Amino acid sequence: QSALTQPASVSASPGQSITISCTGTSSDIGSYNYVSWYQQHPGTAPKLMIYDLRFRPSGVSDRFSGSKSVNTASLTISAVQPEDEADYYCSSFTKNSILVFGGGTRLTVL
Amino acid sequence: QLQLQESGPGLVKPSETLSLTCIVSGASIRTSSYYWGWVRQPPGKGLESIGSIYYSGDTYYNPSLKSRLNISLDSSKNHFSLRLTSVTAADTAIYYCARLRGSYGGMTYYFESWGQGTLVTVSS
Repeated sequence: QSALTQPASVSASPGQSITISCTGTSSDIGSYNYVSWYQQHPGTAPKLMIYDLRFRPSGVSDRFSGSKSVNTASLTISAVQPEDEADYYCSSFTKNSILVFGGGTRLTVL
Repeated sequence: QLQLQESGPGLVKPSETLSLTCIVSGASIRTSSYYWGWVRQPPGKGLESIGSIYYSGDTYYNPSLKSRLNISLDSSKNHFSLRLTSVTAADTAIYYCARLRGSYGGMTYYFESWGQGTLVTVSS
């Protein structure tokens, strides 16, 4: 059982926008803005897409954005592209000084 | 350019100790603002944070693994290591080493860079 809850899957046609939710508690997402998102294509290591809730590392498309409301963080991908098809994981700092992950969401581009 | 490379046995027997090393190149592990950590992923499943270490040697472990876990660093060799004792089949996973951004006192913010991962299978 993951510490953070994500939907198992989402799907979209190219050009559509999608939002992936990540629900935690007042002990993690609700108390800290240290929320990050990772993209993982099959057979590869995860890649940082969003850090500190809403910031993008250099080289990450501005189609990716992050936000938070109370205990739920969200990743929005606008104008979905075929190359966005991957697994997405959220992560949050917790009071145990451990970064916990969500269970992951598989994005399928139709 | 930072590179992280995991090394260690790909097969470990049940009840024995899993040992992995992450070789760091392109940056010194004795740098503030960074932690060095481990994440694992069972085949076909999600990511699990194992723990991390600051350059000072302070460690922070996943409570579910803490009793079996040791993470250490060797600044002379610029690498850090993972030891997990009394392994079972449930410890079979791809193990990733990573650099984390953070600040002193256990404040880890995110996994900034990742190694390519190494599959460790626990089987007799």
